[in-house]
Amino acid sequence: KQEVTQIPAALSVPEGENLVLNCSFTDSAIYNLQWFRQDPGKGLTSLLLIQSSQREQTSGRLNASLDKSSGRSTLYIAASQPGDSATYLCAGLDNYGQNFVFGPGTRLSVLP
Amino acid sequence: EAEVAQSPRYKITEKSQAVAFWCDPISGHATLYWYRQILGQGPELLVQFQDESVVDDSQLPKDRFSAERLKGVDSTLKIQPAELGDSAMYLCASSLLLAGYEQYFGPGTRLTVT
Repeated sequence: KQEVTQIPAALSVPEGENLVLNCSFTDSAIYNLQWFRQDPGKGLTSLLLIQSSQREQTSGRLNASLDKSSGRSTLYIAASQPGDSATYLCAGLDNYGQNFVFGPGTRLSVLP
Repeated sequence: EAEVAQSPRYKITEKSQAVAFWCDPISGHATLYWYRQILGQGPELLVQFQDESVVDDSQLPKDRFSAERLKGVDSTLKIQPAELGDSAMYLCASSLLLAGYEQYFGPGTRLTVT
């Protein structure tokens, strides 16, 4: 059974710092991967989707990469802002299934 | 911008009662997902529809949970009877097609069973 871990579980940084969130899968056969943010008590907002033929995606201050050989993904956030404070979740679709398996999330606090 | 709609946003019910949640996916999205998210954890898939057909319901507790998407558009998730352990956020998502297309989530329904 595919399992996903996210490190760190929580992170607190001062405004302006660059930071990296990590996501790893027990089965490295990942078809594609999606990063989400979730504000407290709300639904998930899609940030980036890395398709099967891709290795990374960028949107504004966000960059996500996927190393299929190791089953690891990183989300890089540049010049963090207090508005970035949220929980960030990764979800991967394996080559054998048709649904995403989610990690538990990293809770990010960006202090002004 | 098109969004996934869910109602109600909050529901408090007593154990042994029946409860139902509704989801309206983004127009044109063939695939609809119901997830359950326990506080502090990632969402777990309960059921997945492709149009009106169930693709995966292996994690759905079928003794008490049911889901339908009769016309291949909106969907209803029902719990009967509700148990204390069902307290969670119930999230609906949709995607254009199966197999890895980007998923878009609704705001969720927070269920509290007392």
